[in-house]
Amino acid sequence: NAGVMQNPRHLVRRRGQEARLRCSPMKGHSHVYWYRQLPEEGLKFMVYLQKENIIDESGMPKERFSAEFPKEGPSILRIQQVVRGDSAAYFCASSGGEKLFFGSGTQLSVL
Amino acid sequence: GENVEQHPSTLSVQEGDSAVIKCTYSDSASNYFPWYKQELGKRPQLIIDIRSNVGEKKDQRIAVTLNKTAKHFSLHITETQPEDSAVYFCAATGNQGGKLIFGQGTELSVKP
Repeated sequence: NAGVMQNPRHLVRRRGQEARLRCSPMKGHSHVYWYRQLPEEGLKFMVYLQKENIIDESGMPKERFSAEFPKEGPSILRIQQVVRGDSAAYFCASSGGEKLFFGSGTQLSVL
Repeated sequence: GENVEQHPSTLSVQEGDSAVIKCTYSDSASNYFPWYKQELGKRPQLIIDIRSNVGEKKDQRIAVTLNKTAKHFSLHITETQPEDSAVYFCAATGNQGGKLIFGQGTELSVKP
């Protein structure tokens, strides 16, 4: 049973470009969560999705950030017109109930 | 919404000593409290969790205690080893479903 898969592991973008981060949940899991982690800081909740539905996006910045979890395929976190402050590790987690299991994260670097 | 405070931010112990990390939460409706260990450059990994109907849970050298009245919970690691060195995060469920709200983390250093 493969764990939570995230890709890419590292992503470099120039200011103004778009970043797309992908997350495939564990088999059988229908809940996906995205978290952002800045260096030497904690995990900040961004968004919680189930298939084709955004359940809670209270942690998402109002502009430039969006997320989806389509019926088929991985969950996507999309950041438009990236700025240097978007540089961080983005972790996806999935659950089938209560326990959350994390992927290895995507390290986004904005030049 | 839920707010989780974690202390201390750094903790240094000698190998073999015990380590204790404490967290408080704000939402009395929270009912699930996991702990994660994150090694440098790695993913957070679930090491132990406790539900609100239980006061204490133990798994080998790791134990967690929960005081619902005071709204705080603690992680206890006994007989620490160098490989226990990592950042530890506590978390609690929010009042809007399954999302976890995390504490700020504790960097544990176990010196041989």
